[in-house]
Amino acid sequence: GAGVSQTPSNKVTEKGKYVELRCDPISGHTALYWYRQSLGQGPEFLIYFQGTGAADDSGLPNDRFFAVRPEGSVSTLKIQRTERGDSAVYLCASSLSLLASGGVNEQFFGPGTRLTVL
Amino acid sequence: GNSVTQMEGPVTLSEEAFLTINCTYTATGYPSLFWYVQYPGEGLQLLLKATKADDKGSNKGFEATYRKETTSFHLEKGSVQVSDSAVYFCALANSGGGADGLTFGKGTHLIIQP
Repeated sequence: GAGVSQTPSNKVTEKGKYVELRCDPISGHTALYWYRQSLGQGPEFLIYFQGTGAADDSGLPNDRFFAVRPEGSVSTLKIQRTERGDSAVYLCASSLSLLASGGVNEQFFGPGTRLTVL
Repeated sequence: GNSVTQMEGPVTLSEEAFLTINCTYTATGYPSLFWYVQYPGEGLQLLLKATKADDKGSNKGFEATYRKETTSFHLEKGSVQVSDSAVYFCALANSGGGADGLTFGKGTHLIIQP
């Protein structure tokens, strides 16, 4: 079956602009995660959805970042007033519920969106 | 909070050499542990996992054993190949029924020379 897909694969924008990044999880996966990966670093957790609601948004760096998942499937990460420091690869991952996965939080990652803020 | 520390790279080895990439962690409770791999130009892929103490995860000739007493999850392979060249990430997930975000190490870039 299809894996996690993310669009666009690359996004170049100017400082101060608004961007939206989209994630399409694996069908049937109820949990969806957003991470940010800066050059030479490991992925850093941003936000996690269980169904439609954000179960944990403690990783969002500030109020310029927002994410939604209105129908419990596709999710959009929104960044307002972009800054050069927001440049990174934004990764999305999805997983089955813990009950369905036997209690193991195994996440499947998409290819990422490379965001460049000029 | 949770943290993962892994050896810094790049690690350069010759083909057929023995590989160890060290990983230690700090976490409350009993986390699940993972190794993810990122091949050039590709996304993160799960390589192996272990969910409780003394479990051994294995895949594609790689192994890692969950050592609670040393809070470690070192990755090993007996004979590496050029195709193993990639960036390897150690990660943990909280236990206790939560489905939290993963905590990753910084990654170790492995280069295998023919």
